[in-house]
Amino acid sequence: KAGVTQTPRYLIKTRGQQVTLSCSPISGHRSVSWYQQTPGQGLQFLFEYFSETQRNKGNFPGRFSGRQFSNSRSEMNVSTLELGDSALYLCASSGGQGVGEQYFGPGTRLTVT
Amino acid sequence: AQKVTQAQTEISVVEKEDVTLDCVYETRDTTYYLFWYKQPPSGELVFLIRRNSFDEQNEISGRYSWNFQKSTSSFNFTITASQVVDSAVYFCALMRVTGGGNKLTFGTGTQLKVEL
Repeated sequence: KAGVTQTPRYLIKTRGQQVTLSCSPISGHRSVSWYQQTPGQGLQFLFEYFSETQRNKGNFPGRFSGRQFSNSRSEMNVSTLELGDSALYLCASSGGQGVGEQYFGPGTRLTVT
Repeated sequence: AQKVTQAQTEISVVEKEDVTLDCVYETRDTTYYLFWYKQPPSGELVFLIRRNSFDEQNEISGRYSWNFQKSTSSFNFTITASQVVDSAVYFCALMRVTGGGNKLTFGTGTQLKVEL
């Protein structure tokens, strides 16, 4: 069974631009969560989608948004990029409606200059 | 509010030594899940274990073992006979069972360096 895939793996953007990251969960998994990892703040939860609905949201500004498609693939978007948005963005997928084991993708390394 | 504390920022050991990574958590929930993840230099978080708060039995998987003590809110992780390949950052995490969906609250991680 293929694991969680994330594209692109690396991205360099300029301050003020916007960016879209993609995540394809494990086949059959319906929950996709996004996390931001930075040296200063560690791993922080962004949001979770289940069956195309946002089920949970972390404490991030509205510039961070996401969505999930009918095939469970998910995208997250960051508008008006700031230098502080430079981070590793990790996506995790989980099966079922309840709490489950989360399996992470390799991440997208975003650098904002 | 939920919180996970990993007080050990970095641990260095020589290969074949045993090492224990500490994890202390805070939650008002009576039911919750605890996790350990490994993050090698490649960046991907590798799932190691999930433990339900009702199950306090210790678990062993090969060289890995976990000691869950609800009375002290601790979920420690021991690697026996460490190997260089164990070098990574290890994260402990907490998840609510109800009302929280699949939201993990992570500790700050422990960097483990295993040297020859």
